[in-house]
Amino acid sequence: DGGITQSPKYLFRKEGQNVTLSCEQNLNHDAMYWYRQDPGQGLRLIYYSQIVNDFQKGDIAEGYSVSREKKESFPLTVTSAQKNPTAFYLCASSIARRTGGNEQFFGPGTRLTVL
Amino acid sequence: SQQGEEDPQALSIQEGENATMNCSYKTSINNLQWYRQNSGRGLVHLILIRSNEREKHSGRLRVTLDTSKKSSSLLITASRAADTASYFCATESTSGTYKYIFGTGTRLKVLA
Repeated sequence: DGGITQSPKYLFRKEGQNVTLSCEQNLNHDAMYWYRQDPGQGLRLIYYSQIVNDFQKGDIAEGYSVSREKKESFPLTVTSAQKNPTAFYLCASSIARRTGGNEQFFGPGTRLTVL
Repeated sequence: SQQGEEDPQALSIQEGENATMNCSYKTSINNLQWYRQNSGRGLVHLILIRSNEREKHSGRLRVTLDTSKKSSSLLITASRAADTASYFCATESTSGTYKYIFGTGTRLKVLA
C-alpha cells in the first residue's frame, strides 16, 4: 500500500531533551513538509523540502531541525531550544509539479507532550 | 504568517442541511485547496481549484473562487453526520516554492 507514515503516534519528552519524529513515504514524492498544529488552530509550516539534500525553513523553524538524505524520509528533530514544543506534528508529501497545484498527502500525526 | 482565514470558526447544522464555509487570503495565488481533518487525525485532500477557475464540483462538494475578492467558499450539500470534521483551506502563492499556507479552519458539526 502506498502512503505516508509517522512514528511514534504519541511522544513524551522531558524538558531539555531533543526528540526526533519520523516521517516516511513510499509515494515517490519529491516534496515533503512538516507542520505544527496547536489545539483549535490551523497548520503552521516548520520546514519543507522539494528535493533530496535540500530543505527550506517555513514560518516557525526556530528550535527545529530536519534532514533529507533519502527521498522517502524527512525526520524532524525538536530541540531543547524550542520553548513550547507540546503540539500535534503533521508530515505531508506531494509531487513537485511546476504548474497545476500539488495535492498534499498527510500522515496520521505525532502528538508530542513535554513533561 | 497565516494567509488563509476561514469563516465561520465553528458551524453546527442538522443532517440534510447544506454547510457553507468561507476562506479569505491575502496575496496572489496559483491555486487553492480544501482539506478535511477528523479529530486527532491527519488531513485529507478534498478538492483543488486553480486561479483561472471559478467553480468546481466533486460529489456533494462545490467550491468557488473569486480572485478579485481573494476568497473561496466550500459548500457541502445534504450534509451527513460523517461530515463532522474541521475543514481547512490552503493556498499556494505565485512564488512557485511548493509552499502552502493553511487557514485556521472551520469546525463543522452535523447533528443526526
